[in-house]
Amino acid sequence: TQLLEQSPQFLSIQEGENLTVYCNSSSVFSSLQWYRQEPGEGPVLLVTVVTGGEVKKLKRLTFQFGDARKDSSLHITAAQTGDTGLYLCAGRVQSGGSYIPTFGRGTSLIVHP
Amino acid sequence: DTGVSQDPRHKITKRGQNVTFRCDPISEHNRLYWYRQTLGQGPEFLTYFQNEAQLEKSRLLSDRFSAERPKGSFSTLEIQRTEQGDSAMYLCASSSIWTGNTEAFFGQGTRLTVV
Repeated sequence: TQLLEQSPQFLSIQEGENLTVYCNSSSVFSSLQWYRQEPGEGPVLLVTVVTGGEVKKLKRLTFQFGDARKDSSLHITAAQTGDTGLYLCAGRVQSGGSYIPTFGRGTSLIVHP
Repeated sequence: DTGVSQDPRHKITKRGQNVTFRCDPISEHNRLYWYRQTLGQGPEFLTYFQNEAQLEKSRLLSDRFSAERPKGSFSTLEIQRTEQGDSAMYLCASSSIWTGNTEAFFGQGTRLTVV
């Protein structure tokens, strides 16, 4: 079972459409990170959300952290072909005596011209 | 700051051979992580170092895998007697104590193909 469940797993849309992807957990996180990964490359950090209810904007991307800090969403307005990629959410999970950045399976987004 | 650097970017090897990958983290970052990623999955944690100490290893890390970070700077990940199931993208990331080690910054990865 994944600690961080991401949905949908796949999304294929036309340029100009809006979309929302979700990251859900039954656990409380002190913060969550969102990454975008392009094929053959490593994930690139987009944003960290820390406070319950927090909303952060990065150009056409809007990130929200749930009030209970168990879930987060990413909304993209007027998607562009350059938004194509794998969107990953991550949070620190205790493993032994340490907290390790742990990832969901991601949402694979394809934006068609 | 040149970011996290991994070498090589691609490696093709025959089953049974040993391979070694290198990771150079962001210079002031004290933590270094290794992850493995297969198609359709998010990165899966393998192991991490705080400075030169290896503090945590995943159950995914079989005895054929070993990692080192001898001087608390660069790290190597060695896979002995490679198997086809080892084919994956191996990702290295680093993080800073100044951000509470919450944000991991990744290299471009090493794509391993075992034939």
